Amino acid sequence: NAGVMQNPRHLVRRRGQEARLRCSPMKGHSHVYWYRQLPEEGLKFMVYLQKENIIDESGMPKERFSAEFPKEGPSILRIQQVVRGDSAAYFCASSPAWGGQDGYTFGSGTRLTVV
Amino acid sequence: AQTVTQSQPEMSVQEAETVTLSCTYDTSESDYYLFWYKQPPSRQMILVIRQEAYKQQNATENRFSVNFQKAAKSFSLKISDSQLGDAAMYFCAYRNAGNMLTFGGGTRLMVKP
Repeated sequence: NAGVMQNPRHLVRRRGQEARLRCSPMKGHSHVYWYRQLPEEGLKFMVYLQKENIIDESGMPKERFSAEFPKEGPSILRIQQVVRGDSAAYFCASSPAWGGQDGYTFGSGTRLTVV
Repeated sequence: AQTVTQSQPEMSVQEAETVTLSCTYDTSESDYYLFWYKQPPSRQMILVIRQEAYKQQNATENRFSVNFQKAAKSFSLKISDSQLGDAAMYFCAYRNAGNMLTFGGGTRLMVKP
């Protein structure tokens, strides 16, 4: 039973390019969460999704960032026109519909570096 | 909105000794979960221990235990018989009834041989 799969593990983009981060939730999990971690800081909530539905995007910057979780396939976090300040580790987590008593299951993260 | 505060940016412990990491939180809810996660240099977030707010008994997982003080909104982690492999960032987290998980800023634990 594979855990939460994130790819790529590392992503380098030039300023102005687009970054696409993928997350496949754990089998049986229907809820996906994206978090951003800046160096030496905690994880900051970005967005919470169910299949084909955004539940809460209160942590997502209003511009350049978008997320989706289609009926088929992984969840995608998309960052358009990346800037140096977007450099961070982006973590995806998943949970069963009812949340589960074990918190979330996290992926290994994607480290985005903007050069 | 809930907030989670870890007041110790860094802690150090001698191998085989005991260390306690502090965490406080702010909430107006009565039903919630609390967690401690470990993040080693590999970046993987590893669940260490969890506590349901409605349970008065403190959770224990082998060498890890918590001191949950609901009225004080305090949730500290005690690591007994510290091992070199315990060295990592530790994050306290709060989950509300709506599935939202909020993290503290983390405590870096160093273990001295």
